[in-house]
Amino acid sequence: AQSVTQLGSHVSVSEGALVLLRCNYSSSVPPYLFWYVQYPNQGLQLLLKYTTGATLVKGINGFEAEFKKSETSFHLTKPSAHMSDAAEYFCAVSDEGGYQKVTFGTGTKLQVIP
Amino acid sequence: DAGVIQSPRHEVTEMGQEVTLRCKPISGHNSLFWYRQTMMRGLELLIYFNNNVPIDDSGMPEDRFSAKMPNASFSTLKIQPSEPRDSAVYFCASSLGGSTGEQFFGPGTRLTVL
Repeated sequence: AQSVTQLGSHVSVSEGALVLLRCNYSSSVPPYLFWYVQYPNQGLQLLLKYTTGATLVKGINGFEAEFKKSETSFHLTKPSAHMSDAAEYFCAVSDEGGYQKVTFGTGTKLQVIP
Repeated sequence: DAGVIQSPRHEVTEMGQEVTLRCKPISGHNSLFWYRQTMMRGLELLIYFNNNVPIDDSGMPEDRFSAKMPNASFSTLKIQPSEPRDSAVYFCASSLGGSTGEQFFGPGTRLTVL
């Protein structure tokens, strides 16, 4: 079975500072990896995904993530935080069994301090 | 495309009443997922369907919960009888077969059981 671990349930950064949200996964096969964002009172929306090819993946709103197989990591970064980035972020990995089942992490709430 | 549609957006009911949540997936998607999100337990997968067939319902908490997908464009999640601990936000998501597993989420139904 696949699993995802997100380090830190809450992360606070100052506006303009680097955002780093950590995600480690376990998978017996090459994974598909995702980051989703959830703004207050909304559903989850895809931020970016890794399938194959280039290991540095760029997403919406200036976010990017790098797939590191040797470290089984898929950390999310953004060079400069904006107030509008305050949200909850979920890392996820797809299931090797098919049917597009995705295993989600427990989420990291990002607070941006003015 | 209208995206995943859920109704109602908010539901307030009294303990013991039957509650039915509805979902219309994105046209052409053949996998559908029901999730529950609470502060205490985070995001939980309740059940998922592929081509209208339930594949895994191991996340359904009790026999009070049931889900159906009578056709490719409609699914229901029913709670009978409802209890206060069922209060949560319920999300429906859909994905496209043969894809990388990206799921598209609806806006959710906020259920409050008094």
